[in-house]
Amino acid sequence: DGGITQSPKYLFRKEGQNVTLSCEQNLNHDAMYWYRQDPGQGLRLIYYSQIVNDFQKGDIAEGYSVSREKKESFPLTVTSAQKNPTAFYLCASSIVTAMGEQYFGPGTRLTVT
Amino acid sequence: AQSVTQPDIHITVSEGASLELRCNYSYGATPYLFWYVQSPGQGLQLLLKYFSGDTLVQGIKGFEAEFKRSQSSFNLRKPSVHWSDAAEYFCAVASYSGGGADGLTFGKGTHLIIQP
Repeated sequence: DGGITQSPKYLFRKEGQNVTLSCEQNLNHDAMYWYRQDPGQGLRLIYYSQIVNDFQKGDIAEGYSVSREKKESFPLTVTSAQKNPTAFYLCASSIVTAMGEQYFGPGTRLTVT
Repeated sequence: AQSVTQPDIHITVSEGASLELRCNYSYGATPYLFWYVQSPGQGLQLLLKYFSGDTLVQGIKGFEAEFKRSQSSFNLRKPSVHWSDAAEYFCAVASYSGGGADGLTFGKGTHLIIQP
């Protein structure tokens, strides 16, 4: 079955540590996205990539980094510079010409203490 | 910059009653609009989308939405809700450049509660 995989479902880290969240898709989509969700805040765009080896900052990119070495994979690193990293992180993908129709993964809940 | 407003944080509806969730958007060009649903701790599922053409669009699970350009609205409706419809609902608008979609701007969501 085609879809988007995010692992792990729950992730716990100590403050000051970098952590990488995985996102893999087998939908053959060119575009991939990372969103952050906080209670009562909706989803906010962190980074997106429309093609391999290229990515763009979204609205809240500070304290995050990404890479796009393969079409199927778009890992997100939450660095120690992110002031409030505890959140629910959602990865999505789409056909570039789909005008925003995105498919979402199940999410990773990151807790930093 | 684009924005989406969902005026209702929580809505409570009796099972079998009709439902309308409100969404207002701000976008300078032709909007591409979406409604997504999210169950607790899960990802988002696309309910329906509006790109162009007929302003009344049908989606999955018996939902529909009407695009009204004059009111900058894209309200979601369902004639008769089921207990399984209890979830968080998000309205979103796509921003895009010549190369494709740059991402979605979401409203803050409406939490739907179904009373027995």
